[in-house]
Amino acid sequence: GAVVSQHPSRVICKSGTSVKIECRSLDFQATTMFWYRQFPKQSLMLMATSNEGSKATYEQGVEKDKFLINHASLTLSTLTVTSAHPEDSSFYICSANTGREKLFFGSGTQLSVL
Amino acid sequence: GESVGLHLPTLSVQEGDNSIINCAYSNSASDYFIWYKQESGKGPQFIIDIRSNMDKRQGQRVTVLLNKTVKHLSLQIAATQPGDSAVYFCAEIPSGGGATNKLIFGTGTLLAVQP
Repeated sequence: GAVVSQHPSRVICKSGTSVKIECRSLDFQATTMFWYRQFPKQSLMLMATSNEGSKATYEQGVEKDKFLINHASLTLSTLTVTSAHPEDSSFYICSANTGREKLFFGSGTQLSVL
Repeated sequence: GESVGLHLPTLSVQEGDNSIINCAYSNSASDYFIWYKQESGKGPQFIIDIRSNMDKRQGQRVTVLLNKTVKHLSLQIAATQPGDSAVYFCAEIPSGGGATNKLIFGTGTLLAVQP
């Protein structure tokens, strides 16, 4: 299947700093990528839909100024958690659309904010 | 057996037995469904999918059943192995999701395989 690479896999940062997470489609072009957030023992919650060359579409309740999404190319989308606080600690996962319905997921990023 | 509460529903099975994981979906207009397996600390892994014009689809050791009347989806795993231990999620794409393929995930079930 298609490969989606997500980096870093784990990041620890101090409260108030910003963290950038990258999501790359390695062997295909992804016009659409998705960002999910997952708390322990819970399901994946869609945060936003990232469209190449246009603004991201955020789900209700997700602060667009806090979670900045950039999809500058067909193979790269980034999620920046700005001024991170302990409550932002979570597992963040991206997925990419190959153009068909089947989505492929990155390996996730565990963010811990101290 | 299964348990539901503040934690993920858990299904405990003996190695070699068959497992059945259930999922109730919310949107009667959804026309595409997927089962994912998620191991601890990893992203979801595609297992099998089914469209709404089908009621059954088989893969290698897995079968997905779809009952649109009661909006119910199930995943059957034959001869469950320790490597099958993971959290399993059903996901649906609502009709009209179109090119965005916006996936809506279910709550998940933790499958624990006892040796």
